[in-house]
Amino acid sequence: GNSVTQMEGPVTLSEEAFLTINCTYTATGYPSLFWYVQYPGEGLQLLLKATKADDKGSNKGFEATYRKETTSFHLEKGSVQVSDSAVYFCALILQGAQKLVFGQGTRLTINP
Amino acid sequence: DTAVSQTPKYLVTQMGNDKSIKCEQNLGHDTMYWYKQDSKKFLKIMFSYNNKELIINETVPNRFSPKSPDKAHLNLHINSLELGDSAVYFCASSQQMGDNEQFFGPGTRLTVL
Repeated sequence: GNSVTQMEGPVTLSEEAFLTINCTYTATGYPSLFWYVQYPGEGLQLLLKATKADDKGSNKGFEATYRKETTSFHLEKGSVQVSDSAVYFCALILQGAQKLVFGQGTRLTINP
Repeated sequence: DTAVSQTPKYLVTQMGNDKSIKCEQNLGHDTMYWYKQDSKKFLKIMFSYNNKELIINETVPNRFSPKSPDKAHLNLHINSLELGDSAVYFCASSQQMGDNEQFFGPGTRLTVL
């Protein structure tokens, strides 16, 4: 089946630290990959996406590269801010399908 | 202007009651979804509708009945509420079936006592 596995949280970092949140996937077809972010008390927002191998998605200083050989889509940011504190979800969708398959979410807390 | 809106934001009710959650999108999208997020933040799709037609029903108990009066609205009615139904329910929409990006509403936190 199709599934997404994220690193266990919670993750706590100091401001300006380097962030990596690991994400790996299993898919029966050729998926598009996403990172969604959920700020406290809000719905999910698309952070970035990549639709084919070696694509790099980027937004707000976050980046993730679609690695087909390792079936991974790790989220990185060079210098995190307190305002980045949120829950981050990795997700995939197969071509022609409608449903997003989410990872379990990783809670990130950034301390000043 | 809110793109995907849900009402109510919070819903507290007793076991056995029937309740509805409403969702509206003003993006002109054809496809709408309901997701359930449990207490551990795990998100799973429940239903999707395309142009008022049910496309996905992800083995959800038949106490849950989605209704789409038009393609801008997808309501969720829940009969005989159980403790395990307590969760945050998110509505989402996308331009068309299979589209990459889904836009989410702010969520409805349902608490069953």
